[in-house]
Amino acid sequence: DQQVKQNSPSLSVQEGRISILNCDYTNSMFDYFLWYKKYPAEGPTFLISISSIKDKNEDGRFTVFLNKSAKHLSLHIVPSQPGDSAVYFCAARVYSGAGSYQLTFGKGTKLSVIP
Amino acid sequence: EPEVTQTPSHQVTQMGQEVILRCVPISNHLYFYWYRQILGQKVEFLVSFYNNEISEKSEIFDDQFSVERPDGSNFTLKIRSTKLEDSAMYFCASSDSPILDEQFFGPGTRLTVL
Repeated sequence: DQQVKQNSPSLSVQEGRISILNCDYTNSMFDYFLWYKKYPAEGPTFLISISSIKDKNEDGRFTVFLNKSAKHLSLHIVPSQPGDSAVYFCAARVYSGAGSYQLTFGKGTKLSVIP
Repeated sequence: EPEVTQTPSHQVTQMGQEVILRCVPISNHLYFYWYRQILGQKVEFLVSFYNNEISEKSEIFDDQFSVERPDGSNFTLKIRSTKLEDSAMYFCASSDSPILDEQFFGPGTRLTVL
């Protein structure tokens, strides 16, 4: 049951160019989307998020775009830096009742930024 | 900067044995979570915990699993009788609000069941 899909397991980009990581979802009840970055031997680290009522959120080099009609979001990193090399997880939040929420994660995309 | 810590970093156990994975959340956080990631698969939610009780759990979190906050700092995940398919990376996370707009994850414990 893959409610959140990251169809590209890996992506290689030259330093200085744009990295675009994609994520598709199926559950229309998701109301908030997050991107996490994970380095080897570390836990996921929150990167950027977007509410379902918005279509864009920008934070420095990172921009997340949301297309609700297509149930698609993307993370843009520009310019890409070697330190951005990591696994990027897309996650989606759903309200599960009684004040509780759950996150559903994608499988991740491994980004390699080549110097 | 405050961080979530987990011990041990790697646990190897025999099938059928009990394991306890330990986590120290960020000190002023009130909401605690366990996730797992089977190698090559997605990160999966297991359980959330608030005010000394489970607030939400997934279908993965069956009777073999339990969580506890035995003191003011530790948050533990116990697996009573491990199975081969329990082999995974287990991540603890904490947050200061339930709305999951930002969680802080620990580095994970790799559990290997032989």
